[in-house]
Amino acid sequence: EPEVTQTPSHQVTQMGQEVILRCVPISNHLYFYWYRQILGQKVEFLVSFYNNEISEKSEIFDDQFSVERPDGSNFTLKIRSTKLEDSAMYFCASSEIGGGKSPLHFGNGTRLTVT
Amino acid sequence: GQQLNQSPQSMFIQEGEDVSMNCTSSSIFNTWLWYKQDPGEGPVLLIALYKAGELTSNGRLTAQFGITRKDSFLNISASIPSDVGIYFCAGQLQGGSEKLVFGKGTKLTVNP
Repeated sequence: EPEVTQTPSHQVTQMGQEVILRCVPISNHLYFYWYRQILGQKVEFLVSFYNNEISEKSEIFDDQFSVERPDGSNFTLKIRSTKLEDSAMYFCASSEIGGGKSPLHFGNGTRLTVT
Repeated sequence: GQQLNQSPQSMFIQEGEDVSMNCTSSSIFNTWLWYKQDPGEGPVLLIALYKAGELTSNGRLTAQFGITRKDSFLNISASIPSDVGIYFCAGQLQGGSEKLVFGKGTKLTVNP
């Protein structure tokens, strides 16, 4: 069964450094998402992306965050200057159709640790 | 408003028992999804619900989307040890939002 893949599985970085988290969505999916989960808490929406642009973002997704689809297969989340509170699991997801008409499929996540 | 209230927070059951968990909200959702998350992994889709009143099964799992579109339950019958994990409800709000709102999860422990 096709799946969303994320790399790396674990990233440790120092406060103030830039990180790029990578995702390969399911190949025929058109809508892409990033979510995060702080340890022990619920999964929170960051951003949705369709047709090479952001379609929706949360208040968490401030100017320090950006997303890009640099080629036909990868979808990346960049955090420009990491803060301690950015430590979390970051999940990429994709869906065939947007607007809630098809379910989201999640990757296994990247655990980001900011020291 | 956009919160999903999921209960119970945790359950400890014996293998073979049936389990029920639910989510409620004051908001109306277009779509309701149930996911399971194992430690260190991403949420895995169990059941997707799109229509008010819809009742859907996936093996030993059954879920229903409430008539008012504000609630849903998930039942697991004849639980087995591999059912352990955290179960999340998630919904997409009415109005075309792309955002999935997640509940806080139900942590299930199954004693053999």
